[in-house]
Order: sequence, then structure tokens, then C-alpha cells
Amino acid sequence: RKEVEQDPGPFNVPEGATVAFNCTYSNSASQSFFWYRQDCRKEPKLLMSVYSSGNEDGRFTAQLNRASQYISLLIRDSKLSDSATYLCVVNRVGAGGTSYGKLTFGQGTILTVHP
Amino acid sequence: EAQVTQNPRYLITVTGKKLTVTCSQNMNHEYMSWYRQDPGLGLRQIYYSMNVEVTDKGDVPEGYKVSRKEKRNFPLILESPSPNQTSLYFCASSLLGMRNYGYTFGSGTRLTVV
Repeated sequence: RKEVEQDPGPFNVPEGATVAFNCTYSNSASQSFFWYRQDCRKEPKLLMSVYSSGNEDGRFTAQLNRASQYISLLIRDSKLSDSATYLCVVNRVGAGGTSYGKLTFGQGTILTVHP
Repeated sequence: EAQVTQNPRYLITVTGKKLTVTCSQNMNHEYMSWYRQDPGLGLRQIYYSMNVEVTDKGDVPEGYKVSRKEKRNFPLILESPSPNQTSLYFCASSLLGMRNYGYTFGSGTRLTVV
């Protein structure tokens, strides 16, 4: 089983749609979690960190479910500019919040928003 | 501007010819790391460094070397490149001790080994 798994998609949705991505992780040790966005042939860029209580940033909402070991990303009112690959990223951290340094990426979920 | 700078952006080389890909960050980050990205395999960690003179292997370290003599620089060295090292490489940096800080990536180096 892969350490971090995502549905690769692709997801093809019309503008204005709501779309949700899930990501599961296998290592139950204390973790920090992120969603990154990657445009074709470009570097990954941080979309949002995922907090234990869930968090929202405009049209984007991230949730963490530690019991089931998954995180999710919800995009509301999709825009054409949201078309990209969305990467789920997991990092192990110690009790004091210090990173162990080993970052694991999911394979990414491809989203295409069409007019 | 806060950034991670990689050079070169594109490189074509021949098998066995040593090369170095440079990475530099201006954010005073302790943590730096190298990744390679291949179709169907996603991003995989090669090496990482928690601070100056502290480096450790990631998931795919074979065929690569790194050094961290200064905080801002973290070069990736391929002593004897082979065609299976043809890939898109990214360098990233971050602050330690801040759980949800996130990682800043360089623009990538597309390496072809023939």
C-alpha cells in the first residue's frame, strides 16, 4: 500500500461546480498535512495547510479525519483557473512540531474545469 | 523576493559526465530537500537536510550526492549520470519547528541524460 494515495482522476467539471478530492495516508504517526497545486511543468505551490479542526480559505475547504486517516479538499464555485493537478502532501512531525524531514506526496489528482 | 532558485532550468548531458544542479534560498530556512518527478510515479524525495552539515537520504538516493556547507545552498550532484536519471527535479525549503508552515519549491530543472 502506498504511503499516500489519491484518486488520480481526471475530474472534468463545469465552471461553478463543487468538486471534492480525498487523500488517504497509511502512517498514523503524528503528521502535518498540506494541499499543493501544480500547473503543467511548473513547481508545486502551497494551496493550504490542513489543520485538525478543518480550515477554509475562500472557495477552498480542507478537512482532516485522523481516525480514518484521510484528508479532503473541497473546491466551491470552480473557476477555469482552478484547472491543475492537486497534490496531497504528508509530513511526519515530532511531539514538539519539528519536522522529521521526510515529505511524502500523493500522485496528484487532475482537475479540468471547462466553460 | 523570497524564493528558491535552481540552476540550470534545462540540461542535456551524456552518460557518465558529472554534473551539479544548484539550489539556493534567501529565506534563511533550515530545511532543504531535493525531489524528482516522473510520470506515473509522482514526486519522490531524493535527499534532505535539516541544517548545515546535516543531510539524510530520502526515498530514492541512489546515484545522487548532496552537501550543505552553507545554510542557503543545497547542491545536487550526479557523479556519473545515467539515462534513468532523466527527470524533472525540484528543490524545496522550509522552516523547521513550524508545523504547518509549508514548503517553497524552486522552478525545477529538466534533466535529460543521453
